[in-house]
Amino acid sequence: GAVVSQHPSRVICKSGTSVKIECRSLDFQATTMFWYRQFPKQSLMLMATSNEGSKATYEQGVEKDKFLINHASLTLSTLTVTSAHPEDSSFYICSANHPRAGPYEQYFGPGTRLTVT
Amino acid sequence: KQEVTQIPAALSVPEGENLVLNCSFTDSAIYNLQWFRQDPGKGLTSLLLIQSSQREQTSGRLNASLDKSSGRSTLYIAASQPGDSATYLCAVGDISSGSARQLTFGSGTQLTVLP
Repeated sequence: GAVVSQHPSRVICKSGTSVKIECRSLDFQATTMFWYRQFPKQSLMLMATSNEGSKATYEQGVEKDKFLINHASLTLSTLTVTSAHPEDSSFYICSANHPRAGPYEQYFGPGTRLTVT
Repeated sequence: KQEVTQIPAALSVPEGENLVLNCSFTDSAIYNLQWFRQDPGKGLTSLLLIQSSQREQTSGRLNASLDKSSGRSTLYIAASQPGDSATYLCAVGDISSGSARQLTFGSGTQLTVLP
């Protein structure tokens, strides 16, 4: 149990276009989901915390107009990178809180590799 | 603001060796500490979770310890195998994040076990 999926696993897009990444909790309902980005050989940096039915809370330095997060249901959160640029190329990982797990226990998706050309 | 540091950044050992990975954090007000494994281009796999009231956790060849007062944790891997090669990340449940219940990650240790 406690499986989190991401789609797509890999995406290449042209500079200036937008790309949407989906994060789904497959066998549980997640009231809170988290979005991270990871540059090569670096750690996970939290971008935003997403709560179902409300606006996401963004970390300092993360542009909310560029990284649009929608948590429309208890099993789906989406991250849309708008007007992507090469510097947005990164590995994006989502995670979700399981309602029966401890408060700081997050289940992670497999990640999405975004390459902007 | 909580900061998590992992030393060394990279480690290469011959198969069969026992090894220790280190994690330190600046704010002792943590809810728990977790160790994760990440294979190249993949997501995270949870290895061990230590609650703030615990001293250690064990799973198979892995043993994680926690000294909250000194802000340190170690991950001990016994009898290392080539399949253990991966990046190991530690993360703390950051109480200062309030109701957001966020994790703060270290930068990881890239482990290579040579056959």
